[in-house]
Amino acid sequence: DVKVTQSSRYLVKRTGEKVFLECVQDMDHENMFWYRQDPGLGLRLIYFSYDVKMKEKGDIPEGYSVSREKKERFSLILESASTNQTSMYLCASVSFEYTGELFFGEGSRLTVL
Amino acid sequence: GESVGLHLPTLSVQEGDNSIINCAYSNSASDYFIWYKQESGKGPQFIIDIRSNMDKRQGQRVTVLLNKTVKHLSLQIAATQPGDSAVYFCAENSGGSNYKLTFGKGTLLTVNP
Repeated sequence: DVKVTQSSRYLVKRTGEKVFLECVQDMDHENMFWYRQDPGLGLRLIYFSYDVKMKEKGDIPEGYSVSREKKERFSLILESASTNQTSMYLCASVSFEYTGELFFGEGSRLTVL
Repeated sequence: GESVGLHLPTLSVQEGDNSIINCAYSNSASDYFIWYKQESGKGPQFIIDIRSNMDKRQGQRVTVLLNKTVKHLSLQIAATQPGDSAVYFCAENSGGSNYKLTFGKGTLLTVNP
């Protein structure tokens, strides 16, 4: 079975803390994504990466950074967490083949107090 | 159908009935559309896709219809089952890439036994 694994399902952090969200995929996919999901707003793209060490901003990159040092791993970093970053974070991956079939992880629910 | 507000549209059907979930997409230049299903506590899962050179595509118990004239997409689920209860998202490649998708806000489908 193909798999996208997010390291933490639930996190609680305090305002100003640095937060790392890790995502690993075992499908040798080139493209990886970080979305946040909020009630009534759907999924919004934060950052994506189409190759190791490559990254591009999505629709809402402010307050976030990413790291892709290895093909299978894509990390989302909140340098200084704020309460408005309380959300569900979803990682996804897809190959370079002509498809929109993104494979999603189970999500990481972050609460910032 | 999809909503631009904070309220998630809902659809409630009886088991065995057919369901129709609607989506109004935003970008007339989009040429690729996907439906995803998200069950409670899980990440979204690909259901079916359609390209703009088609107006209908069928899968197993699901059919997607595309009306480019009015920028409307629908997902039809035949003989709806309790396991179909989930939030359904449409997505379009409004960024010009098959991978950089813009998601709708979702519709909650509830199947009553």
